[in-house]
Amino acid sequence: EDQVTQSPEALRLQEGESSSLNCSYTVSGLRGLFWYRQDPGKGPEFLFTLYSAGEEKEKERLKATLTKKESFLHITAPKPEDSATYLCAVQANNAGNMLTFGGGTRLMVKP
Amino acid sequence: GAGVSQTPSNKVTEKGKYVELRCDPISGHTALYWYRQSLGQGPEFLIYFQGTGAADDSGLPNDRFFAVRPEGSVSTLKIQRTERGDSAVYLCASSLAYDAAGIYEQYFGPGTRLTVT
Repeated sequence: EDQVTQSPEALRLQEGESSSLNCSYTVSGLRGLFWYRQDPGKGPEFLFTLYSAGEEKEKERLKATLTKKESFLHITAPKPEDSATYLCAVQANNAGNMLTFGGGTRLMVKP
Repeated sequence: GAGVSQTPSNKVTEKGKYVELRCDPISGHTALYWYRQSLGQGPEFLIYFQGTGAADDSGLPNDRFFAVRPEGSVSTLKIQRTERGDSAVYLCASSLAYDAAGIYEQYFGPGTRLTVT
């Protein structure tokens, strides 16, 4: 069974304090790993897709990396507007197009 | 362009009643997905459609849940004899054509918050 575990569950940072969110996964053949951002009362917003170990993608203050067992979302010099829940999801080779999500990391950035 | 839209945004119903939740996908997206998200958790897959047919309904929790997409665009998720445990946010997503060898990002709507009293 495909599993995704995110840590920490919640993270409080001061503005400008860089950190990383972790996504550990167990899947029978990874087709893709996805990062989403979700604001309260809204649907998940797509951020990145990673396909293979060693791949990295960046968008503004966010950088996502992938190994064979986990992915990291690095946040550099965060701002209060980066506060949100960050969700990680995997798509497996044998699971059609469904996404299996982790529980998310709730990030709060204080000014 | 317009994103995925869902109606209603909120639905309160009594235990035992029937509800319908609607999803309008992004224009041109042929794949459509339904997920359910409980408070403090990540979304859980329910069903997805490629065109008009349900390609995978393995996530539907029981036979009280049913979804249709008769013309390959708008989809309706139907829940019969609602129970308090059905209370959650129901999310719809769409993507470009499903391809067993490809990966297409799923774009989510704002969700319908269902409360069963």
